[in-house]
Amino acid sequence: AQSVTQPDARVTVSEGASLQLRCKYSYSATPYLFWYVQYPRQGLQLLLKYYSGDPVVQGVNSFEAEFSKSNSSFHLQKASVHWSDSAVYFCALASTSSGQKLVFGQGTILKVYL
Amino acid sequence: EAAVTQSPRNKVAVTGGKVTLSCNQTNNHNNMYWYRQDTGHGLRLIHYSYGAGSTEKGDIPDGYKASRPSQENFSLILELATPSQTSVYFCASGRGQNTGQLYFGEGSKLTVL
Repeated sequence: AQSVTQPDARVTVSEGASLQLRCKYSYSATPYLFWYVQYPRQGLQLLLKYYSGDPVVQGVNSFEAEFSKSNSSFHLQKASVHWSDSAVYFCALASTSSGQKLVFGQGTILKVYL
Repeated sequence: EAAVTQSPRNKVAVTGGKVTLSCNQTNNHNNMYWYRQDTGHGLRLIHYSYGAGSTEKGDIPDGYKASRPSQENFSLILELATPSQTSVYFCASGRGQNTGQLYFGEGSKLTVL
């Protein structure tokens, strides 16, 4: 069975600091991996996605993520956060057989303080 | 810009009542999905559809029905609502290719008293 774990329910950082949000997955082959962001009172929006190739993928708003097959991880990073990055971040997985049926992690609430 | 709209955005229902959540997409996507979001669980798939007239069970379908009368519309139906179905429900659409990228609506908050 496929699963996604985001071990940090809540992360708090100061504006301008670097950020890493952790994501671990369980799947026997190489999955499709995604990070989505949910701003207050909105639906989810895609930040970035990984299908294959270069393990470091760039996304919107200067976010990037690094895929590691050996660690079964897909951590999200940003060099310098802004207060407007405060939101809930979801890591998600799709398998080659499940197509667009995404399996989501529990989400990480990011709070950026001034 | 892809557009998925849900209605109602907020709903209070009584236990045992019938609730219908509606979703409309203007993306001309084949696939549509209903998820519920609960703290500590992320988003969980309830029902999905690959096109008009088809519905499939997701991971947590018990207590829910779905209807896809057209390419644009996908409804989630709670015939006998229970307090455990209090949640935020999200509809999403996708192209149907094996890409995994979905476009979400803004959510419908359902409270069952």
